[in-house]
This record gives sequence, C-alpha cells and structure tokens, in this order.
Amino acid sequence: EADIYQTPRYLVIGTGKKITLECSQTMGHDKMYWYQQDPGMELHLIHYSYGVNSTEKGDLSSESTVSRIRTEHFPLTLESARPSHTSQYLCASSDPGPNSYEQYFGPGTRLTVT
Amino acid sequence: KNQVEQSPQSLIILEGKNCTLQCNYTVSPFSNLRWYKQDTGRGPVSLTIMTFSENTKSNGRYTATLDADTKQSSLHITASQLSDSASYICVASDRGSTLGRLYFGRGTQLTVWP
Repeated sequence: EADIYQTPRYLVIGTGKKITLECSQTMGHDKMYWYQQDPGMELHLIHYSYGVNSTEKGDLSSESTVSRIRTEHFPLTLESARPSHTSQYLCASSDPGPNSYEQYFGPGTRLTVT
Repeated sequence: KNQVEQSPQSLIILEGKNCTLQCNYTVSPFSNLRWYKQDTGRGPVSLTIMTFSENTKSNGRYTATLDADTKQSSLHITASQLSDSASYICVASDRGSTLGRLYFGRGTQLTVWP
C-alpha cells in the first residue's frame, strides 16, 4: 500500500465556491500527478509536476490550478466550482529510482458540484 | 492516435472460475504495459508492469501476457475470489518523453458472484 493521501474523500459543494483538494505523499517522490476520472471512463491527466516549483498542464484541459511548494504536497484548486467539475480526482506520485515506471495512486476525491 | 482498447467492457463470473481480460493498444513508441485493479471509489493499484521485452509476468493469481508485435495484452485471473470484483485497467506508456506518458483504457468491470 502506497503512502499517498487525499482529502477530503467526498465533497459536495455549491456552484461558485472555491475549493482545494489536498494530496500528500510521504515517499519522497519528485513526480506527482492529478487525474480526472468520470464513471466508466478512462483516467485523464490534468496536471503534473517534476518537483518543487515545477507544474505543467496535462492532456485534458482543466480550469483547476496546482502548486508544488513542498515535495510532499501537491494541492489542486478550483477558484469557482461549476457542475461540470463534478468528477473523481485522483492524485498519484512516481518513484525516481529503479521503479520509475510505477505510479502510486491515492484513494481519490469524489467531487459533486450542485 | 495513441489509445488503449479493452474488452469485454464488463464480465460476470462465478467464484472459483478463471477469466481472461483483453487489451489492445496503439501507443508508439511503446515503453511498457501495466495492469491496474481499481476497487469502487478507490485509486488504482498496480498488478503488473511489463516492458516491451517481456511477454509474461505473474502476481499471485494474476498473470499478464504481452505481445509487442501484435500490440496485445491479456490479464488472466485464476480461481477467482469475491474480492476480485473490481475494474481492471490496462495502461500503455510511451517513451517519447521523460514523463513517460500513460494512456489508460476504460477498464473491464469484473463481478464475481458466490
């Protein structure tokens, strides 16, 4: 079991609210990722980071933003939530060493915007 | 276009039976092929990772095969258990960038009945 944590696990919030989804890992991994997954659909990469102060947008356009001030922490923020943001958000990190292929996923945050 | 297709979309089997899940990919240049297990409401957990030079890998009752020539992979589950009920996701990675971009299939939803 990987040491990667996400909070909250479930969030129901009204339109227009600002939200931050937390992700932290205790493995010292440099690379971290955010994915978005709708039911029955594939995961889509929305943000990634190679390390502190490094952030890039992924394949799927997203109105969210991320920051990487500390190695272990990679929060995702939505300034103004909309119903179209309803989805599951998964955070992951990868090992820089010999197992660099491996990505470890957190349990996910299920976001519902009403 | 890089993509991953999985079949069947869903599968129901009786406890103790074997099953095989299929995956076809068109990712190029190809680096490695992964199978993940995702329980409902949880993040994916890695089962196997195979590079293009490997053609089989086992993890307990799970055995994955890879044919890099035909771009096909399969995941065989032996003596299924109720806890095997989950979505099984095939993921292909390219080696065209340092990120090692992942391409996710939509998963096969496996249900094991007692």
